[in-house]
Amino acid sequence: NAGVMQNPRHLVRRRGQEARLRCSPMKGHSHVYWYRQLPEEGLKFMVYLQKENIIDESGMPKERFSAEFPKEGPSILRIQQVVRGDSAAYFCASSLSGSWNEKLFFGSGTQLSVL
Amino acid sequence: AQKITQTQPGMFVQEKEAVTLDCTYDTSDQSYGLFWYKQPSSGEMIFLIYQGSYDEQNATEGRYSLNFQKARKSANLVISASQLGDSAMYFCAMREGDWSNFGNEKLTFGTGTRLTIIP
Repeated sequence: NAGVMQNPRHLVRRRGQEARLRCSPMKGHSHVYWYRQLPEEGLKFMVYLQKENIIDESGMPKERFSAEFPKEGPSILRIQQVVRGDSAAYFCASSLSGSWNEKLFFGSGTQLSVL
Repeated sequence: AQKITQTQPGMFVQEKEAVTLDCTYDTSDQSYGLFWYKQPSSGEMIFLIYQGSYDEQNATEGRYSLNFQKARKSANLVISASQLGDSAMYFCAMREGDWSNFGNEKLTFGTGTRLTIIP
């Protein structure tokens, strides 16, 4: 039973390019969460999605960032026109439901480096 | 107000000693879950232990136990007989259960405690 799969593991982009981060949740999980972690900091919530729907994007920057979780395929976090400040580790997590008593399973993260 | 507060940025503990990592939380919900995750230097997030707000017993998972004091809103992680492999960042997190407030389903993290085990 594969866990949460994120790819790529490392992504290098030049300023102004686009970054696309992929996340395949655990089998049967329809709730996906994206978090960002800056060096030596905790995880900051970005967006919460269920299949084809964005439930909560309160942690997402208003510009350049978007996320989707289509009916088929992985969830995608897209960052357009990347800047150096976007360099961080991006984690995806999934859960079976949105229940408060259920743990989130995390992927290994994507380390984005913007040159 | 911070939802999760971890007041110890870093701790050094001798191998084989027990260690307590502090965590206090803030919520007005009756239903909530408290979680601890470990993040070693390799970067992955490893689930350690869970405590539900209605659980009367403190949670235990092997060498990990959670000292849950509901009235004080604290959920400290206790690691017994620490090992070198316990050196990592430790994050306390909470999910809230107020379904009328969308977004509470997300996991909210504290800033973490970096634990270093000394041989």
